[in-house]
Amino acid sequence: EAGVAQSPRYKIIEKRQSVAFWCNPISGHATLYWYQQILGQGPKLLIQFQNNGVVDDSQLPKDRFSAERLKGVDSTLKIQPAKLEDSAVYLCASSFRTSEETQYFGPGTRLLVL
Amino acid sequence: AQSVTQPDIHITVSEGASLELRCNYSYGATPYLFWYVQSPGQGLQLLLKYFSGDTLVQGIKGFEAEFKRSQSSFNLRKPSVHWSDAAEYFCAVAPWTGANNLFFGTGTRLTVIP
Repeated sequence: EAGVAQSPRYKIIEKRQSVAFWCNPISGHATLYWYQQILGQGPKLLIQFQNNGVVDDSQLPKDRFSAERLKGVDSTLKIQPAKLEDSAVYLCASSFRTSEETQYFGPGTRLLVL
Repeated sequence: AQSVTQPDIHITVSEGASLELRCNYSYGATPYLFWYVQSPGQGLQLLLKYFSGDTLVQGIKGFEAEFKRSQSSFNLRKPSVHWSDAAEYFCAVAPWTGANNLFFGTGTRLTVIP
């Protein structure tokens, strides 16, 4: 089966610009996650969707980050305006459902904010 | 609050030697436990997971991990390391209540020398 797809793979922007990342989860997976992985750290959950509803967005900096999952399939994560500290790899993951299910990760989008 | 500690930032082993990567967690109850591997430019791949039952868990690529409740540890082992095992290894935990937000450690980078 096809894995989790993400695009773009790399993005370089200047601070205060906006950027959007796209994720297409594994077919049939109801749960979708966005993680931020800063260099030298483990991934940190930003937001979790169950179908098209938000389950947990407690770690999402809502003043600048937004995410949506229209129709409960693919998802978009946006940053507006970007700050230098947003430089990181943004990982998307999906699982069949919550609870005892393995999360499958995409290759990530590497963002550099100058 | 949940926390995951990987005390070794970087480990170097010779090809064919045995490997043990340490992971300690802090949580009120026994969480779900995971080991992921991340190769350069790749997403995270699940090596193995522990939910309950036998405390010695077998995973892919010849890896195993042992859950020790008394030590709050979930160390990853491999009896003979291959050059292709060079990568970053992350331990992660999720609350047993079913909300599978993963909390990651900071990772251990493995270098394999010929």
